[in-house]
Amino acid sequence: AQKVTQAQTEISVVEKEDVTLDCVYETRDTTYYLFWYKQPPSGELVFLIRRNSFDEQNEISGRYSWNFQKSTSSFNFTITASQVVDSAVYFCALSRGGNSGGYQKVTFGIGTKLQVIP
Amino acid sequence: GAVVSQHPSWVICKSGTSVKIECRSLDFQATTMFWYRQFPKQSLMLMATSNEGSKATYEQGVEKDKFLINHASLTLSTLTVTSAHPEDSSFYICSARPSTTAFNSPLHFGNGTRLTVT
Repeated sequence: AQKVTQAQTEISVVEKEDVTLDCVYETRDTTYYLFWYKQPPSGELVFLIRRNSFDEQNEISGRYSWNFQKSTSSFNFTITASQVVDSAVYFCALSRGGNSGGYQKVTFGIGTKLQVIP
Repeated sequence: GAVVSQHPSWVICKSGTSVKIECRSLDFQATTMFWYRQFPKQSLMLMATSNEGSKATYEQGVEKDKFLINHASLTLSTLTVTSAHPEDSSFYICSARPSTTAFNSPLHFGNGTRLTVT
């Protein structure tokens, strides 16, 4: 069974502060994929990043960075110098590796609502 | 590219009526589409996997007679909530990935449909 835990349900920060969103996952698979999605107030989910289980290299994209640590089964997301436009719900998600239909399902965490206060 | 359009964005209906929600992949073909339901302050729960040309695969606990799914073409899946009741009020989101991409490629989401049953 797969599980994604986002322990922080809501976070508030003041603009320009850095903030880290935690994600811990559980899976018995050796090959799997991790994702982060952003859901702004308008409702649509926006893909941010995908990471496969064999690539523990951290990634930085502008003000966004991700820290993947298999040893702790964590895939944390940091926003540097937060902005009001970053206010949204952020979902961490997990899917199995493999190439058959049964591996298409994506398991989402409960989401972390981030509010950036001007 | 990879745009998913969902219609309507919101709908209000009376108890006992049926509501149809459309999910279209605008610039790609999708053999499979996914329907999620999101309760307030909760995660996205996969309801069913919609398969083009065949029956949908429902998740445990989801009533197939209540939530009818039709995937008549490679670009259109519909979810019909039959005999809607207030407890069916929720945010429904569809997603898909191009048939030509790997199973672990990111999902593309529609904007969601807010259903309110009075």
